[in-house]
Amino acid sequence: EVQLVESGGRLIQPGGSLRLSCAASGFTVNRNYMSWVRQAPGKGLEWVSVIYSNDYAYYADSVKGRFRISRDNSKNTLYLQMNSLRAEDTAVYYCATYNYGWANFDHWGQGTLVTVSS
Amino acid sequence: QTVVTQEPSFSVSPGGTVTLTCGLSSGSVSTNYYPSWYQQTPGQAPRTLIYSTNIRSSGVPDRFSGSILGNKAALTITGAQADDESDYYCVLYMGSGISVFGGGTKVTVL
Repeated sequence: EVQLVESGGRLIQPGGSLRLSCAASGFTVNRNYMSWVRQAPGKGLEWVSVIYSNDYAYYADSVKGRFRISRDNSKNTLYLQMNSLRAEDTAVYYCATYNYGWANFDHWGQGTLVTVSS
Repeated sequence: QTVVTQEPSFSVSPGGTVTLTCGLSSGSVSTNYYPSWYQQTPGQAPRTLIYSTNIRSSGVPDRFSGSILGNKAALTITGAQADDESDYYCVLYMGSGISVFGGGTKVTVL
């Protein structure tokens, strides 16, 4: 059974950095496409980033240059390094498996809350 | 900047049928955008309903169906039930690794 467990979310000041983790089980992260999706409080879902099996990564314009997606195969974990955080980055961050062939998000974690505030 | 459009809200009677749509601020949605649909209830993670226009995800009841209607993708709920009351999001694949979510549609069953 595929399971995704996010962690690392917390209250952080504007301009700060934070790394989110997504521990995977039931499949191998490095052979799969993986994505991050976020949801600001009371708002809709927003795609953030995707990493392909060949390590190519893509980002939404809103986070490009500030966020970096990566993975640690030995830990079977996906990461999202977030720098220069802004108030508008406040959201629940979900990791999800991404089906490249069908361009959809298959399995979802339960999310981790990041609050950017002074 | 491309915007994916959805109706903000819909109301449907129990047992009724409702069709939600997913469009583009400029242009038409086709199967080439691989439209997918997700259901989310408050406080929960999204659940995948439909992908690649009309393929139901594992375990999704057949009262949910996807299609292209005119220049938009569509999600139809036939025989709505109380636990279908949720937010529904579509996603379109824009190419070059980029996906864009619609703003979501809140469906009320009453």
